Amino acid sequence: DTEVTQTPKHLVMGMTNKKSLKCEQHMGHRAMYWYKQKAKKPPELMFVYSYEKLSINESVPSRFSPECPNSSLLNLHLHALQPEDSALYLCASSQEGRLPNTEAFFGQGTRLTVV
Amino acid sequence: DQQVKQNSPSLSVQEGRISILNCDYTNSMFDYFLWYKKYPAEGPTFLISISSIKDKNEDGRFTVFLNKSAKHLSLHIVPSQPGDSAVYFCAATPRAGGTSYGKLTFGQGTILTVHP
Repeated sequence: DTEVTQTPKHLVMGMTNKKSLKCEQHMGHRAMYWYKQKAKKPPELMFVYSYEKLSINESVPSRFSPECPNSSLLNLHLHALQPEDSALYLCASSQEGRLPNTEAFFGQGTRLTVV
Repeated sequence: DQQVKQNSPSLSVQEGRISILNCDYTNSMFDYFLWYKKYPAEGPTFLISISSIKDKNEDGRFTVFLNKSAKHLSLHIVPSQPGDSAVYFCAATPRAGGTSYGKLTFGQGTILTVHP
């Protein structure tokens, strides 16, 4: 199983809503990541979890709140988002958080639209 | 500040010919480089990587070359096939122990189209 599964695939939410994006992997990877990708732009790192602890937060606004309940799951809680937060949110995992982020496996992403 | 640059937004190649995708970087802390391929509506898929201690890595039709002094890497695909048509992202990550450890920095991507 070399899959990273993200749900939902598409999400439309209002600016006052609270929603969560979910990510799951069963490859035994101990590093998990959230990336954000706007149209025609490269993916940009948001958060890195290593061994279920937050190790990198790329100055992401607090309306995005990550959570790693266990080594297989990664959530991204969303609250009071702005229309400019509309993007493709990608989850990734890799084998070892203490080594270079090699060969990260990406999920299909959640296409988020904030209205 | 674009630390990883792919200056060609698109590349068009005939089937069977060689595709060469280029990538430049500015951060001398980058130590490991990766290429990802992305189809529409899918996440990026890892293709091939190279460590800074090497200057070439080959995997089937894909070869990555690294020129550290020029801070330049390239991906060669030969022979190119129509199924290779996708967006190709170059990515880089720094040496172990730095504050940005564990972070992939992506280039803007190059759209490769392989014509039958």
